[in-house]
Amino acid sequence: QSVLTQPPSASGTPGQRFTISCSGSTSNIGSNTVNWYQQLPGTAPKLLIHSNNQRPSGVPDRFSGSKSGTSASLAISGLQSEDEADYYCATWDDSLNGGVFGGGTKLTVL
Amino acid sequence: EVQLVESGGGLAQPGGSLRLSCVASGFTFSSYWMHWVRQAPGKGLVWVSRINTDGSRTTYADSVKGRFTVSRDNAKNTLYLQMNSLRAEDTAVFFCARDLGYGSFDCWGQGTLVTVSS
Repeated sequence: QSVLTQPPSASGTPGQRFTISCSGSTSNIGSNTVNWYQQLPGTAPKLLIHSNNQRPSGVPDRFSGSKSGTSASLAISGLQSEDEADYYCATWDDSLNGGVFGGGTKLTVL
Repeated sequence: EVQLVESGGGLAQPGGSLRLSCVASGFTFSSYWMHWVRQAPGKGLVWVSRINTDGSRTTYADSVKGRFTVSRDNAKNTLYLQMNSLRAEDTAVFFCARDLGYGSFDCWGQGTLVTVSS
């Protein structure tokens, strides 16, 4: 059972705008910035969004992040087949004094 | 090129020990906090531990506290994870990761597989 809650799976069609949610609490998302990672099969995770809504260089602007209260979301516009991957939200938890991840959302592009 | 390369994984018996290493290159290793994250087969990412730039501060997940020890040698650009009293549930791919700041990990190693089984 992950501290941060994400839908385990989702699907979309090419070109669609898609959103993945991440729900937490006051001790984690409510108090700290949120990061998002993309993990393609068999590879290490890749940082997609940091500090709630900042894209590292090289990440397409199709990816965007937002945070409100104790929830965050990752949006992907113009969905592409290569976006098929697992997506994880993450932040720090002040009560646990440790990092926490969501359970991951497996995105399938139909 | 910024790179992290883990090694040291393998098969260990329950109650046994392993030491993982993560060699950094392409950046000033001593300027970054570093983390270990693990992923059990077919499961999600789980944060394990972090260490500050000079090794004086460490933090652990409750699941490994008292069994795992993170350390670093800045002269060798190397991060370590000493794992003792291993359990079957420790079976996972272990990744080292660089902290960009704000707890975000902008560079990851390829991972090293630890299997705990008799």
